[in-house]
Amino acid sequence: QKEVEQDPGPLSVPEGAIVSLNCTYSNSAFQYFMWYRQYSRKGPELLMYTYSSGNKEDGRFTAQVDKSSKYISLFIRDSQPSDSATYLCAVSTDSWGKFQFGAGTQVVVTP
Amino acid sequence: DTGVSQDPRHKITKRGQNVTFRCDPISEHNRLYWYRQTLGQGPEFLTYFQNEAQLEKSRLLSDRFSAERPKGSFSTLEIQRTEQGDSAMYLCASSPQFRDREGTDTQYFGPGTRLTVL
Repeated sequence: QKEVEQDPGPLSVPEGAIVSLNCTYSNSAFQYFMWYRQYSRKGPELLMYTYSSGNKEDGRFTAQVDKSSKYISLFIRDSQPSDSATYLCAVSTDSWGKFQFGAGTQVVVTP
Repeated sequence: DTGVSQDPRHKITKRGQNVTFRCDPISEHNRLYWYRQTLGQGPEFLTYFQNEAQLEKSRLLSDRFSAERPKGSFSTLEIQRTEQGDSAMYLCASSPQFRDREGTDTQYFGPGTRLTVL
């Protein structure tokens, strides 16, 4: 069993819709939770970075962490075609160590 | 450009050849990480450095792989006697020791080096 599970998609939504992404993890020691966006053949780009449980909002993006359920989510409001990419969740036991990544969810936003 | 840079961006080689990749981290980031990513998968951790010291190596990093960061700045990843299974995107990331202006000490990735072994 992988330490981080993520539905690979693809997830297709119309422009303007809310995109809902999630990951589950198995190790309760994970304390740091990240979301990265990766365009095809590019490196991952940091979107959100959260520590422990709770919500964090940044523009159209909201990240949620529920440590009791070992469940993390990313919501994208007012989605745009430029949001079409693969979204990777990552977890870590500490801020400076190795990250465990999910497989990524491919998102397609259609005009 | 003050981001993480990697060179080359693409490398095609024949099986059995040696290849070397370079990573230049964000200035003043003292931590540097190497990951490998295959198609349809998330990045997998290979190794990381704090300054010159290599602090952790994954089991994925076989004896054919070696990474160095001699002066605590740029890093190289060498693969000897390449195999077709080594074909992947090799990603480098760096992070600061302390939180930066965005309030994070998390990892920032470069564009990657795509390796194809024929």
